[in-house]
Amino acid sequence: NAGVMQNPRHLVRRRGQEARLRCSPMKGHSHVYWYRQLPEEGLKFMVYLQKENIIDESGMPKERFSAEFPKEGPSILRIQQVVRGDSAAYFCASSPPRQGNYGYTFGSGTRLTVV
Amino acid sequence: GQNIDQPTEMTATEGAIVQINCTYQTSGFNGLFWYQQHAGEAPTFLSYNVLDGLEEKGRFSSFLSRSKGYSYLLLKELQMKDSASYLCAVRVAGGYNKLIFGAGTRLAVHP
Repeated sequence: NAGVMQNPRHLVRRRGQEARLRCSPMKGHSHVYWYRQLPEEGLKFMVYLQKENIIDESGMPKERFSAEFPKEGPSILRIQQVVRGDSAAYFCASSPPRQGNYGYTFGSGTRLTVV
Repeated sequence: GQNIDQPTEMTATEGAIVQINCTYQTSGFNGLFWYQQHAGEAPTFLSYNVLDGLEEKGRFSSFLSRSKGYSYLLLKELQMKDSASYLCAVRVAGGYNKLIFGAGTRLAVHP
């Protein structure tokens, strides 16, 4: 049973380019969460999605950031016109529909570097 | 609002015991989690508390007091590999599984 798969593991983009981060949840998990982690800081909630629905995007910056979780395929976090401040580790996590006593399973993250 | 506080850094000696505290003030509460994160890696689940009291799991134990908005993670018989960040997270109420994380505590274990 594969865990949460994120790719790419590392991504380098020039300022102004677009970054696309992909996340495939664990088998049987229909809920996906995206978090951002700046160096030496904690995980900041960005968005929570179910298949074809955004449930909570209260942590998403108002501009340039979007997320989707289509019926087929992975969840995508898209950052348009990247700036240096977007450099961070982006973690995806998944969980089954019911609340459990283990929270999330995290992917290995995508480390975005904007040059 | 949501506020979760942990010490930024701690140091301890191999073989010793260390307690990492976490206080929280959140809009609703539906469980508290501790995760371990080694540098450059994904967080991994350590423990979960939803009722008051102590949960023990091997060398790691976690305590919760809901009335005080307080939890701690206790690590016994410290090993060098325990050097990592320890993240406290609260699952807020609302019917789904959203976790709010503290900034994490970096633990350095010395020989």
